[in-house]
Amino acid sequence: GEDVEQSLFLSVREGDSSVINCTYTDSSSTYLYWYKQEPGAGLQLLTYIFSNMDMKQDQRLTVLLNKKDKHLSLRIADTQTGDSAIYFCAEITGSQGNLIFGKGTKLSVKP
Amino acid sequence: DAGVIQSPRHEVTEMGQEVTLRCKPISGHDYLFWYRQTMMRGLELLIYFNNNVPIDDSGMPEDRFSAKMPNASFSTLKIQPSEPRDSAVYFCASSNRGLSSNQPQHFGDGTRLSIL
Repeated sequence: GEDVEQSLFLSVREGDSSVINCTYTDSSSTYLYWYKQEPGAGLQLLTYIFSNMDMKQDQRLTVLLNKKDKHLSLRIADTQTGDSAIYFCAEITGSQGNLIFGKGTKLSVKP
Repeated sequence: DAGVIQSPRHEVTEMGQEVTLRCKPISGHDYLFWYRQTMMRGLELLIYFNNNVPIDDSGMPEDRFSAKMPNASFSTLKIQPSEPRDSAVYFCASSNRGLSSNQPQHFGDGTRLSIL
């Protein structure tokens, strides 16, 4: 069935780059998403990439998509303490049209 | 512009009690989703509505769970009777073009439910 996998934790130092990785299973996904969840809050859409793209850049965020390997990554340049949150990768499945989320990667940024 | 509004923010109740969670989607959005988030299972889609009609409730765990959307600006998720394993954060989200698009789902801040 459809599944989205992420590592659960990532710890970086302030100013370093963070790379959060995700693998998905549905090759027919049209869009892939990154959401951010801060403590006590809901999920906020950070960025998305259409499946016919392999890279998208938005200020400090870079999304890379390797469709052959079904691998998605989110790079945050110059990571700040305010970037500490849980980051969710999500895909839209072709079969059901549902949004499937990974379990989230908790990013901790140390000063 | 108000986002998705959920109430209550926190609910603590004893097992066996009825629990009702409420959601007001963003005005003009025609899709509404209910999710449950736990450490063990992550974020799970429970049910979603399109134009107030339930489309897919296959994620609803059991008959103790029910959801309604009587009009375009209000939805409820009810658990009766509640059990300790229902403890989780429940999110409501809405969007205006459904799932297969680049329109994001907008999430509320969630209801943190604790069943004792």
